[in-house]
Amino acid sequence: EVQLVESGGGLVQPGGSLRLSCAASGFTFSSNWMHWVRQAPGKGLVWVSRINSDGSSTSYADSVKGRFTISRDNAKNTLYLQMNSLRAEDAAVYFCAPYYYDGSGYSFKYWGQGTLVTVSS
Amino acid sequence: QPVLTQAPSASASLGASVTLTCTLSSAYSNYVVDWYQQRPGKGPRFVMRVGAGGIVGSKGDGIPDRFSVLGSGLNRNLTIKNIQEEDESDYHCGADHGSGSSFLVVFGGGTKLTVL
Repeated sequence: EVQLVESGGGLVQPGGSLRLSCAASGFTFSSNWMHWVRQAPGKGLVWVSRINSDGSSTSYADSVKGRFTISRDNAKNTLYLQMNSLRAEDAAVYFCAPYYYDGSGYSFKYWGQGTLVTVSS
Repeated sequence: QPVLTQAPSASASLGASVTLTCTLSSAYSNYVVDWYQQRPGKGPRFVMRVGAGGIVGSKGDGIPDRFSVLGSGLNRNLTIKNIQEEDESDYHCGADHGSGSSFLVVFGGGTKLTVL
């Protein structure tokens, strides 16, 4: 069974930092691109970042570029998101998800329950 | 990059059918779109992929036969027949674009489906 457990969320002041983690199991973590997707309260899904299988290539949404850093530890089956210079608009539930190939293409087949980030003074 | 447009809300009576639409911006008519269901307080759940020719690949785990998709022009539709109470959810469509450091995923704004 695929499990994705996000952690590290919490309350942080504007300008502060947080490091999110995503512990993965039930699939070959080291073979899959991994993504972070966020969802502000009552809003839709917004893609944040992705990292390839060995960590050598990353990409970011323009809204977080230069402030967030995605990384992974394949030995620990864990994905990270370092978030710096946090703004009120970064407040959201953050989900991690593997970009899973099922033979016909890539999709977010599995999702965690998310971790809530609140940015407020 | 593509823009995906969804109506913010839809409603249908128990046992009826409803079609949710995800419209791609022009010039992206060949794109494949993924549909996700999100029940209140839960993470999203993959429903199925749809291209211009219809379903691509297989449905997500546990998705009932009542769910189907159709692709037409810029539209990637999700139809739910014989709606049940458990279908009341937010439905999101998404598509990827680009490669390398320019790779990104775009989502529509989501449609909140209410079962009457």
